[in-house]
Order: sequence, then structure tokens, then C-alpha cells
Amino acid sequence: QSALTQPPSASGSPGQSVTISCTGTSSDVGGYNYVSWYQQHPGKAPKLMIYEVSKRPSGVPDRFSGSKSGNTASLTVSGLQAEDEADYYCSSYAGSNILFGGGTKLTVL
Amino acid sequence: EVQLVESGGGLVQPGRSLRLSCAASGFTFDDYAMHWVRQAPGKGLEWVSGISWNSGSIGYADSVKGRFTISRDNAKNSLYLQMNSLRAEDTALYYCAKSTHYDSSGSFDYWGQGTLVTVSS
Repeated sequence: QSALTQPPSASGSPGQSVTISCTGTSSDVGGYNYVSWYQQHPGKAPKLMIYEVSKRPSGVPDRFSGSKSGNTASLTVSGLQAEDEADYYCSSYAGSNILFGGGTKLTVL
Repeated sequence: EVQLVESGGGLVQPGRSLRLSCAASGFTFDDYAMHWVRQAPGKGLEWVSGISWNSGSIGYADSVKGRFTISRDNAKNSLYLQMNSLRAEDTALYYCAKSTHYDSSGSFDYWGQGTLVTVSS
């Protein structure tokens, strides 16, 4: 049960787009369309932003989008806003368990 | 409004036990799988355990397998985590999370605020 691999940090200026990657294996990310992305602000519980690779829950801005290619999933945040600064975690179903990525700290410059 | 309220955390010595509870409301509890996710201080999220809607499918992270037991009582809309043989590395904020599915494949669309478990002598 190895964690999924995310870059520790990412950044962009307001209005720009940023993409965060999440790399797994064919036993998790590549094997199922059950990749999710969570946003976590300091001291708060995580919030679901993307589920099943590319679906957005009600209330999540369409500036957030998800995709997957092979064993790597991606979260793209377009039109960056100050409130997007947070930690982002990917997760994937892996058959009998769920794996998280190590998290990416997104900084809005 | 969906609410998940965890309880049972606290300071416990290594090797001892603790039982966490999660009271759920605002949704049909027995329609969904439920999970425990933890976050050590200053660290990332770690999935701990999940249980399907009818307790027919249960999974554990390797780090807790054989020491932790997840269970649910659908009549009481409650989720539990029995934690035995606790170690210092189990110190974390433990979140209760609702799945989007009846089985363990789904995402976590609602989270509680967490209950802190500190394992220390």
C-alpha cells in the first residue's frame, strides 16, 4: 500500500492555471475510475472537489477540473483565486483499500 | 444537513486501547459506506479503514490491520473504530467520512471535524 505521488508544492498567480499531478500504478489510479481530489485549508476538514476522475460535486466551481491518463491523474485549477490557496490531496480506490497522495501545497502568488 | 460528529479521542499510553465513535445525521446512514481517515500533526491524509453499507465488506490499511476494528450500527446511525495496541505513530486527528457509494469504492463527500488521538507515555 504505497501512497500516490504528488508534487509537494505548486504555485501560480491570480488568474493563471495550475495543474497538480497524482501518479499511481495500474493497481490503483490506472485500474479504476475512482480518483478523487480534496482541498484542505489550515485547521479545516478536507473538502471533496473532484470525484470519479472528472466529476464536480454540486457547489464546486467549474474552475476545478480533473482528468486521467494511464496511471497519472491531474487536477487543474483555472483562473486562480486567493481562496484556492490550500493543500490538495488525490486519492484512489485500489481494490480493497484506498490510497492518498502525500499532498500538494498550492500557493497563489 | 449532513452531520458527522466524532468522539472518543484523548491521551492514551502505548499499548492501550481506545474506541472512537461517529454519530451521523442528515442522510440515510445505511445507504452508504463509511470510512475513517487520519491525519498526523503536520502530515497528510491516511485512509485507515472502511466499511460497506451492510458491514459485508471491510478494509484496513496495512498500518492498522490486526490492531483496529471498524464496525457500524445502522439502527443507531453510528460508526465505530476500536483501536488496540496503540502506538506513538497512531497519534493523529481521526476523521469520520461518508462515502458517495454503498461500497468502499466511492469518494468521501462529507467529513466530520475529527477527534484527536494522542498516544504517549
